[in-house]
Amino acid sequence: GAVVSQHPSRVICKSGTSVKIECRSLDFQATTMFWYRQFPKQSLMLMATSNEGSKATYEQGVEKDKFLINHASLTLSTLTVTSAHPEDSSFYICSALRGTPYHEQYFGPGTRLTVT
Amino acid sequence: SQQGEEDPQALSIQEGENATMNCSYKTSINNLQWYRQNSGRGLVHLILIRSNEREKHSGRLRVTLDTSKKSSSLLITASRAADTASYFCATSLNFGNEKLTFGTGTRLTIIP
Repeated sequence: GAVVSQHPSRVICKSGTSVKIECRSLDFQATTMFWYRQFPKQSLMLMATSNEGSKATYEQGVEKDKFLINHASLTLSTLTVTSAHPEDSSFYICSALRGTPYHEQYFGPGTRLTVT
Repeated sequence: SQQGEEDPQALSIQEGENATMNCSYKTSINNLQWYRQNSGRGLVHLILIRSNEREKHSGRLRVTLDTSKKSSSLLITASRAADTASYFCATSLNFGNEKLTFGTGTRLTIIP
């Protein structure tokens, strides 16, 4: 099956610093990747759609200057949380869309961000 | 906002029993998918059912879809302790628009 990795799996940072999370599709190319945020015992909320070679599309209420997304290649998308605050602490999950004929998303294992 | 609600929010059953979870959604969809998430981990895709399908099976899983009621159910038969996890439904609106909207999830606990 298709494999998606995320790095790091856990990160602790101080308020005001920036953190970069990587999402990689290991055995397939993904022109589209998605970034989700999940609070404890809650569902996944889509933050943005990352498209290779173009700007990301953000969901309503998500600050694009706060959550910078770069889809650098067909196998890598990065999410940078800038000037992190404790309220940004969350579980961030990415997914990569495997195209024709699959049209299925494959999810990474998630990154636990804690901002102190 | 979330597409729909899942019911129940939490379910505890004895090992060997069947578990049924329900998902309701609000708008027309192209397909509905079920995912499993173990605590603090990523999502595992279980099954996809398209809007023109009514029932689908995969091993111990049985999914139904009723587009007239905008609802779906996931049945896990002969449950095992390893089935303990959270289960989410997710809907996709259009073929070619693979953006998923997740339901609220059901936390399933299998008691050995």
